[in-house]
Amino acid sequence: GENVEQHPSTLSVQEGDSAVIKCTYSDSASNYFPWYKQELGKGPQLIIDIRSNVGEKKDQRIAVTLNKTAKHFSLHITETQPEDSAVYFCAAMPGVDTDKLIFGTGTRLQVFP
Amino acid sequence: EPEVTQTPSHQVTQMGQEVILRCVPISNHLYFYWYRQILGQKVEFLVSFYNNEISEKSEIFDDQFSVERPDGSNFTLKIRSTKLEDSAMYFCASSNRLDNEQFFGPGTRLTVL
Repeated sequence: GENVEQHPSTLSVQEGDSAVIKCTYSDSASNYFPWYKQELGKGPQLIIDIRSNVGEKKDQRIAVTLNKTAKHFSLHITETQPEDSAVYFCAAMPGVDTDKLIFGTGTRLQVFP
Repeated sequence: EPEVTQTPSHQVTQMGQEVILRCVPISNHLYFYWYRQILGQKVEFLVSFYNNEISEKSEIFDDQFSVERPDGSNFTLKIRSTKLEDSAMYFCASSNRLDNEQFFGPGTRLTVL
């Protein structure tokens, strides 16, 4: 079945710097890749997603890239702010016959003022 | 903005007891999901539900688990005889499936003693 690996597990940056989180997936049939932000005590919040027919997507300070050949996708946050501090999860939807999400292990991002 | 809601926020129960976790999905969504997150671990898929029946379930979702949509707004997860290892955050999610986006509720923390 699908397996999603995520790195790094923790990431500390200075406010204003960029942060990059990387994920790899195993199932080449995976076609949908969302990113979720989880703040303490809350549920995962969808922040951006990308589909397998697109290589890059941007929404203000966040962007996601997808390399289907290498089976990896990345989240880029520019001009980080303290409120970006949270746990970020990548996920993959393994194929057209399912809508379950397989999650990565999460990255705890800390942005220091 | 419409959101998924869940009750209770925290449930404490004795091993062997039955629990029912409740969710109110986003009103125009037709696809519903339960996921769980054991403390410090990744979010794991349990079950998906559409048109009053289970679409897909994981190996975690054994005979002790059941789901139901008892009326037009609620979606429930029942654990018949809880075990210590059922202690986790349980998240409900819903989707309109048109664009694959799944929106998560704030979760119910289940503690089995």
